Amino acid sequence: DIQMTQSPPSLSASVGDRVTITCRASQSIRRNLNWYQQKPGKAPKLLIYAASNLQSGVPSRFSGSGSGTHFTLTINSLRPEDFATYFCQQSHRTPEYSFGQGTKVEIK
Amino acid sequence: EVQLVESGGGLIQPGGSLTLSCTASGLTVSNNYLNWVRQAPGRGLEWVSTIYSGGPTYYADSVRGRFTISRDNSKNTLYLQMNSLRAEDTAVYYCARSTRHVDTTMVEYYYYYYMDVWGKGTTVTVSS
Repeated sequence: DIQMTQSPPSLSASVGDRVTITCRASQSIRRNLNWYQQKPGKAPKLLIYAASNLQSGVPSRFSGSGSGTHFTLTINSLRPEDFATYFCQQSHRTPEYSFGQGTKVEIK
Repeated sequence: EVQLVESGGGLIQPGGSLTLSCTASGLTVSNNYLNWVRQAPGRGLEWVSTIYSGGPTYYADSVRGRFTISRDNSKNTLYLQMNSLRAEDTAVYYCARSTRHVDTTMVEYYYYYYMDVWGKGTTVTVSS
């Protein structure tokens, strides 16, 4: 199994801040890494696929980078609607997807 | 508009069975890779099962032998038959479509998969 580890588990930030979330894989997954946003009571929403490709309709303040075992999701100029939980997902061993445990972004 | 709508969740006793449905609109279930993903209360996301357009099915170790994924093309609906339910199966169950991005810049084409369409989920509670 490929284990995905996100850090930090939670963070507090203010509107306008730049936020970075890290995801590490237990083995190389090349660029098979996706990022999702989830708000309370809602389904996950795809933000980034293949490590750095922005899903259609997602604001450009979201960006992803990385390859191999180390990946980051960056949110530039945090907006009120960005307060949510973010999950990374590996798709290297499709269809045996695995997710990180999530990073909750809270208002400072 | 592409949409997935889950149904069939509820309260069930340990050891019981339940079948979840996921009705699709704007996409054809037989032509898509479809998944079930669950989320236990206050927890992260867990992949449960996948059915490929060609028919092969796959399961997480935690549900293999107890859950069965299937589809009815005439109803454009995906199912998850869940047997021998346990307390740890309590979760919101989402169906989601997998789409692939083709990278043509490499010598051989490389495919990246991701879940781009999700239903709103249906809640399963296993408790006596």
